[in-house]
Formats: sequence, structure tokens, C-alpha cells
Amino acid sequence: EAQVTQNPRYLITVTGKKLTVTCSQNMNHEYMSWYRQDPGLGLRQIYYSMNVEVTDKGDVPEGYKVSRKEKRNFPLILESPSPNQTSLYFCASSLWGRASNTGELFFGEGSRLTVL
Amino acid sequence: GNSVTQMEGPVTLSEEAFLTINCTYTATGYPSLFWYVQYPGEGLQLLLKATKADDKGSNKGFEATYRKETTSFHLEKGSVQVSDSAVYFCALSDQNYGGSQGNLIFGKGTKLSVKP
Repeated sequence: EAQVTQNPRYLITVTGKKLTVTCSQNMNHEYMSWYRQDPGLGLRQIYYSMNVEVTDKGDVPEGYKVSRKEKRNFPLILESPSPNQTSLYFCASSLWGRASNTGELFFGEGSRLTVL
Repeated sequence: GNSVTQMEGPVTLSEEAFLTINCTYTATGYPSLFWYVQYPGEGLQLLLKATKADDKGSNKGFEATYRKETTSFHLEKGSVQVSDSAVYFCALSDQNYGGSQGNLIFGKGTKLSVKP
């Protein structure tokens, strides 16, 4: 089954304790992206990657890191989490740069993070 | 820069009522336009899309027409059901490579509740 898998789905942590949210896709997609969803603010892009070893900042990259060492994985790293990073996080993937691309972005089910 | 503005929610309707969710955009060039839907507890999924002016996207009884003259992509459904209760996001691609999408820019989302 084609899917984007995020882990953990729920996490409560404390300020300053490093954490990683993993994201994996099995569709051989070049493009992957992280978003955060907050009430009244909608979806905001954190980082994206157009292929292995190619990453770029989105609208709200401060306090986050990413890496893309393999095509299928795109982990989101919070080196020193703070309470303002409490949010619902989504990973997404799609094809990139092909004429046959349907333009569909595939989302994971979300990771709800609470930083105390 | 490119942006998407959609009507604020929440929107509450009775079953079988007519639905319109307004979406307008600001963009340079010729973006593709999308509607995504987020059911409770799930990630976003593509509902419909349109890639050029006057295109009509449709799916599951929902329709939206790409109106370049009014820079709009309003979502409509003639008769909503309780199962349509969800958050709806309008989005545009900020680039368009021969039909493939670039990064998506999302509106803030409109929550729809349908009562039996």
C-alpha cells in the first residue's frame, strides 16, 4: 500500500530534550516536505527536499533541522525543543519535475507533539 | 509573493444543503490550484485540482473552476452529507514545470460541519 509513515504519532516531551520525528515513504517520490499545523494559522511549511542531499527552508524553519540521506526517509529534528514548537506535524511526499506528475501531495497521518 | 485566501470558518450546514467555500489567490505566472480535505484525525488528501484557466476539477460531488479573471477557485457541492464534515484547504503551486507541481502554498483551512 502506498503510504507516508510518521513516527511517533504522539509525543510529550520537555524543553531542551532533543527529539526526532521520522518520516518514510514507499512511493519512490523525489519530493518530501514537513509542515506544521496550528489553529488559526493553517499549514506552514518547515523544510522541503527535492531529492537526496537537497534540502531547503520553508516558511518557518527556525528551531528545526532535516536531512535527506536516502530517498525514502526525511526525518525532522528538534535539537532543543521549546513550548512554541507544540504543534501537529505532517510529512508529505510527491513526484517532482515529471510531465506525468498528477500534482498530488501525499500526507502522513500526523505527529502531535507537546513540549512542556 | 504568492498567497491563498479562503473564507473563515467554521461553516455549519444541514444535510443536503448547498455548499460554497470561497478561495482566492495571488500568484505570478500560471499556478495549478488544488483543494485538499482533512477528515478528523487524519492527514490531508487531495480532493480535486485544476491546472489551467477555465479547467473544472471534480470529485465526490465537489467541483471547483479555475477562474483567472477573478483569481478564484471556489469549492461547491450541491448536496452535502454528514460524512463531508472535515477541514478543507485551498492551495496553489508556486511553480509549474510542464504540469508538475512546485511547493504548495495552503490557505488556512475552512472547517465544515454537516448536521443530520
